[in-house]
Amino acid sequence: GAVVSQHPSWVICKSGTSVKIECRSLDFQATTMFWYRQFPKQSLMLMATSNEGSKATYEQGVEKDKFLINHASLTLSTLTVTSAHPEDSSFYICSASSPSGISYEQYFGPGTRLTVT
Amino acid sequence: GESVGLHLPTLSVQEGDNSIINCAYSNSASDYFIWYKQESGKGPQFIIDIRSNMDKRQGQRVTVLLNKTVKHLSLQIAATQPGDSAVYFCAENRRTGRRALTFGSGTRLQVQP
Repeated sequence: GAVVSQHPSWVICKSGTSVKIECRSLDFQATTMFWYRQFPKQSLMLMATSNEGSKATYEQGVEKDKFLINHASLTLSTLTVTSAHPEDSSFYICSASSPSGISYEQYFGPGTRLTVT
Repeated sequence: GESVGLHLPTLSVQEGDNSIINCAYSNSASDYFIWYKQESGKGPQFIIDIRSNMDKRQGQRVTVLLNKTVKHLSLQIAATQPGDSAVYFCAENRRTGRRALTFGSGTRLQVQP
């Protein structure tokens, strides 16, 4: 099946710094990638939808200037958390959608655990 | 607002028993539903999906039932095993042209040996 990777798998950073998380589709081209955030014991909440070569679409309540998303190629999307604060500590998960697959099928990455101290 | 939700936050079953995890959705425009399994510290793992033009779909040891009349979705796991212990989420795709999924709140399945 289609494989999606994320890097890093976990990261600890100091408050006020920025962190970049990468999401890669390893064996398929993804025209659309999604970024989710998951707090402990909660469900996945969609943050933004990223389309290759265009600006990301952010969900209501998600600050686009704080969570910068770049989808520069069909296999890579990045999420940068700028000026991170402890409340940004969460599990960030990406998913990728393949145009050759079932219209709504998404493949999820393993997630990135962000801890802001 | 509209949402996808679950009736039971935690389900404990004995190994070998069948498990049933339920999910209610409120948006009649949803046309595609997926069940995911998530183990601690990992991303969601696809289990089974179903389109709104179906009411039942079977996989290996799993069955998804869709009742559009009452907007209810269920996941049945046969002969539950310790490896099935995880949090299960239902997700819906709404007929809006986008591919984003809306996830339910999740049910933790605990399998007792």
